[in-house]
Amino acid sequence: QVQLVESGGGVVQPGRSLRLSCAASGFAFSGYAMHWVRQAPGNGLEWVAVISSDGSNKYYGDSAKGRFTISRDNSKNTLYLQMNSLRAEDTAIYYCSRGPRGYDSHLDYWGQGMLVTVSS
Amino acid sequence: EIVLTQSPGTLSLSPGERATLSCRASQSVDSSYFAWYQQKPGQAPRLLIYGASSRATGIPDRFSGSGSGTDFTLSISRLEPEDFAVYYCQQYGRSPVTFGGGTKVEIK
Repeated sequence: QVQLVESGGGVVQPGRSLRLSCAASGFAFSGYAMHWVRQAPGNGLEWVAVISSDGSNKYYGDSAKGRFTISRDNSKNTLYLQMNSLRAEDTAIYYCSRGPRGYDSHLDYWGQGMLVTVSS
Repeated sequence: EIVLTQSPGTLSLSPGERATLSCRASQSVDSSYFAWYQQKPGQAPRLLIYGASSRATGIPDRFSGSGSGTDFTLSISRLEPEDFAVYYCQQYGRSPVTFGGGTKVEIK
């Protein structure tokens, strides 16, 4: 069965960096675009970024542009989100998800989410 | 970006009743690029509907989606106890992908 498991979250000070990982299993990871979506406490969903199946194309939401970098290692079936210059407003649960249609896709499987708290 | 406005914010209904959730887009959306998700407390969202009207794998047929252009609807024909949750709409036809603010379906 498809499984997506995030790791790497925690508490970080404003201005610092953090890297999230998402380990995928149960499907041909290298054949799918992958997305990050976040959800601030008590709030709705916000799309963060997408990466193509081969990693050659990446797109970001406005809140992530210039600070976050999405990447993947298909040999390890793992998706990453490097987050730099973190701000309090980046505090959220971060979900990795699979996009069966590529960049412009619904999201058919989601990880359980990883909480990132930006606080001094 | 396309703004999605969901209404009502909260829907109070009893098990067995029909639920009708609305999502209005600020610009026309190709219905092929429209989805609905369900989220329960402490859980990740779950895909219900994609392409405006196609049910995802394993989704019961009491869930149905419809709409086109700027107006989309999620209907739940007869609410089961496990259907009380928050529902989000999503458009993925124009970058950036955007989600609605959610409709909470609560037990009356």
